[in-house]
Amino acid sequence: AQSVTQLDSQVPVFEEAPVELRCNYSSSVSVYLFWYVQYPNQGLQLLLKYLSGSTLVESINGFEAEFNKSQTSFHLRKPSVHISDTAEYFCAVSEYNNDMRFGAGTRLTVKP
Amino acid sequence: DADVTQTPRNRITKTGKRIMLECSQTKGHDRMYWYRQDPGLGLRLIYYSFDVKDINKGEISDGYSVSRQAQAKFSLSLESAIPNQTALYFCATSDSRGVTQANYGYTFGSGTRLTVV
Repeated sequence: AQSVTQLDSQVPVFEEAPVELRCNYSSSVSVYLFWYVQYPNQGLQLLLKYLSGSTLVESINGFEAEFNKSQTSFHLRKPSVHISDTAEYFCAVSEYNNDMRFGAGTRLTVKP
Repeated sequence: DADVTQTPRNRITKTGKRIMLECSQTKGHDRMYWYRQDPGLGLRLIYYSFDVKDINKGEISDGYSVSRQAQAKFSLSLESAIPNQTALYFCATSDSRGVTQANYGYTFGSGTRLTVV
C-alpha cells in the first residue's frame, strides 16, 4: 500500500522568508499527490494536487509543489510566506481508484 | 450549510460507553471515509465506503464499526470507548463517477473532538 513521509514535524520561519515543506512517498504504482492545509479548529482543505502532466503545480495563494518521480518526492514551496500561512500542512498520496493516505503533518509557524 | 456535516462537534464520554459519530453530506459523492487525527501521527484511515453496499476496513479499524445508511450518511460507532480513542475524528467524501476520484480530492467535515475519560 502507499505511504507518505513528511520529513519535518515543525517549520518555523520569519514573515516574507521562503519555505519548503518536504514530502516523500512510497508506492509500487502510479500515484496522485496532494497537499492539504488545516487551519486551527478547522477541517482539511485541498491546497493543490498532482494528477498527471506538468510536474509543477500551483495553488491560488502562491504555494507550488513539484512532483519528482525519480526521488519520489512532492515538496511544497512558497517564495515569501505571510503570517496567515501559519497552519498545519499534510501531504497525501492516492493510488488509482484507491483510498488516500496522509503524512504526519508539518506545522508551519510564520513569525513577524 | 456545510457540504460535509459532522455531529457532534465535541463529545466527552466515559470508558465503556457506546458512542456514535455521524456524518452527512450534500456533495452527492458516492465515497465516504472516516479518519482519526492524533498529534504527530497525521490522519489515519479507520473505515471507508465506496457505495452504500460497500464497507472496507482501513489502517486502524479495531474497536470501531461503521454504517452507511444512505449515500449521504456514514456513521462511526465506538462500541465500548476506551481512553486511547480520544482523538479528533474527520469524515471525508470523494466522487468516483465519470472521472477518477483523484480529480477532486477529498472534501472534509469540520471534525468531531472526542474525549474518553
